[in-house]
Amino acid sequence: KNEVEQSPQNLTAQEGEFITINCSYSVGISALHWLQQHPGGGIVSLFMLSSGKKKHGRLIATINIQEKHSSLHITASHPRDSAVYICAVRSRAQFYFGTGTSLTVIP
Amino acid sequence: DTAVSQTPKYLVTQMGNDKSIKCEQNLGHDTMYWYKQDSKKFLKIMFSYNNKELIINETVPNRFSPKSPDKAHLNLHINSLELGDSAVYFCASSHGPQPQHFGDGTRLSIL
Repeated sequence: KNEVEQSPQNLTAQEGEFITINCSYSVGISALHWLQQHPGGGIVSLFMLSSGKKKHGRLIATINIQEKHSSLHITASHPRDSAVYICAVRSRAQFYFGTGTSLTVIP
Repeated sequence: DTAVSQTPKYLVTQMGNDKSIKCEQNLGHDTMYWYKQDSKKFLKIMFSYNNKELIINETVPNRFSPKSPDKAHLNLHINSLELGDSAVYFCASSHGPQPQHFGDGTRLSIL
């Protein structure tokens, strides 16, 4: 069983919809990362969280340490948000990655 | 430009060869990483390194070795390449535990 589980695996949304991607983890962590990988392959770090909530533009990330759960929300989704979103956690000196959520936003 | 840069972008070589992938960051970060992304797009950390500590993922074969000539560089050497080494390799850097900046990846194909 993977230390980090994401859901859904695939997500298709209409432009403008509110999107939520979930991440659950089973190890003790010092930080959780949300990454975005574009179809061209480049990876961008969106957020690093250790508690609470962070917002950047239309993106919001939350984490509940007690429940070992994080969510990534996208408001007013746009086709350019189409990408794979990856949840990763740092546990001691190791990183564990989810398998990613492939998001397609249709105009 | 400030960035993490990897070379080459594409590497095609035969089984059994030894190859290196270079990574340089000019962000002043103190920690660098190598990741492997397999054909199923699953990302896995291989190494993390700062000037004090090299942390190796125990699942990484010892044919893979990181070499850091200085804080701004972490090169990846691979000996006796195997078919299963075909993947995209990403370098990244960060300042301590802060968010990482990723290179564009090196696509390695073994014939």
